Amino acid sequence: EPEVTQTPSHQVTQMGQEVILRCVPISNHLYFYWYRQILGQKVEFLVSFYNNEISEKSEIFDDQFSVERPDGSNFTLKIRSTKLEDSAMYFCASAREGPEAFFGQGTRLTVV
Amino acid sequence: RKEVEQDPGPFNVPEGATVAFNCTYSNSASQSFFWYRQDCRKEPKLLMSVYSSGNEDGRFTAQLNRASQYISLLIRDSKLSDSATYLCVVRGGYNKLIFGAGTRLAVHP
Repeated sequence: EPEVTQTPSHQVTQMGQEVILRCVPISNHLYFYWYRQILGQKVEFLVSFYNNEISEKSEIFDDQFSVERPDGSNFTLKIRSTKLEDSAMYFCASAREGPEAFFGQGTRLTVV
Repeated sequence: RKEVEQDPGPFNVPEGATVAFNCTYSNSASQSFFWYRQDCRKEPKLLMSVYSSGNEDGRFTAQLNRASQYISLLIRDSKLSDSATYLCVVRGGYNKLIFGAGTRLAVHP
């Protein structure tokens, strides 16, 4: 069964460093998303991506965040200068059409 | 008002019990609704979509009341493996998903 894969599963980084979280969505999917979940809190929408551009982003997704789909298979989330409060589980999701999305296993980001 | 509200629980029930979760949403224009399941420190997984007429999938029944902006999930004959957090999810613009905070279910022997 096709699945969304994310790497790494866990990343520890120092405050102020840049991180890139990587995702390989399901191959025939057209919509791509990043969500985050701070420990003990709800899943929050960050950004949606369709037709090679951002279609919507939340207030959380400020200038420190960016997304790319560099090669038609990978979908990356970059955080330019990490803060302690960026520590969370980051989930990538993809959808063929419509809102039924499939989630990757997540990357646990720890900023120290 | 939160976009999607759920009772956080936890609901502690014995195996075989029937348990119901409720959820309310604030945007009356919302068109698509889902229940996802999330195990501890894992990704959300789609449990079922929720249709206007109500729908059933085995032991799980979902209902939607558009007038009250209310969604429910009923689990019959609970199993130990049903222990998880159940997330009420509403579609927003551009197909993004808006999650409730989740309701924790613990099924005990």
